[in-house]
Amino acid sequence: DTGVSQNPRHKITKRGQNVTFRCDPISEHNRLYWYRQTLGQGPEFLTYFQNEAQLEKSRLLSDRFSAERPKGSFSTLEIQRTEQGDSAMYLCASSLAQQAKNIQYFGAGTRLSVL
Amino acid sequence: EDKVVQSPLSLVVHEGDTVTLNCSYEVTNFRSLLWYKQEKKAPTFLFMLTSSGIEKKSGRLSSILDKKELSSILNITATQTGDSAIYLCAVLHGSSNTGKLIFGQGTTLQVKP
Repeated sequence: DTGVSQNPRHKITKRGQNVTFRCDPISEHNRLYWYRQTLGQGPEFLTYFQNEAQLEKSRLLSDRFSAERPKGSFSTLEIQRTEQGDSAMYLCASSLAQQAKNIQYFGAGTRLSVL
Repeated sequence: EDKVVQSPLSLVVHEGDTVTLNCSYEVTNFRSLLWYKQEKKAPTFLFMLTSSGIEKKSGRLSSILDKKELSSILNITATQTGDSAIYLCAVLHGSSNTGKLIFGQGTTLQVKP
């Protein structure tokens, strides 16, 4: 499969717990993005990596959120001390910066429910 | 503040109808505009528009960008039930070192048989 893969697809957790999501981008894509989407809204940018470097973070990304891409391949997004307001779909996308179009291709997302 | 606005927010049509979805933007350092289709899974890429007035077509779908009016439309002719989805408009902006997409809130299209 050459698409963007995200795991898990669904996560239910209790308030205050930590959660971690994983994203495997399309092979050889050097850019990786995280977005958050709530019901009835379009995705909102959280952060992005070029290779292993995290180049931009949204102000939406509070200090409870951390993202890594240690070897420039897969990425993880961790949320510490989850709050009910963190309930959302977390989408990952990847692109190849060298391509003129630099089109972002999305994974199916991880749906987080914080009880 | 950069923003992308889509209209209508929702639309119900019957099979065979033609629909036009609108997207307007106010974004600094515009690079391109993208359309995605989102069903109950990953947003799938439809079109990328960079130049004004050049229509992109794929089957029954077409789209065009008007950089003077800061807007784009997505047309779907002869709609089918499989076209039911959320259609997302996004603008890619910033320098070549960034890749952030700014999305509109989406248009939910329902096509009835």
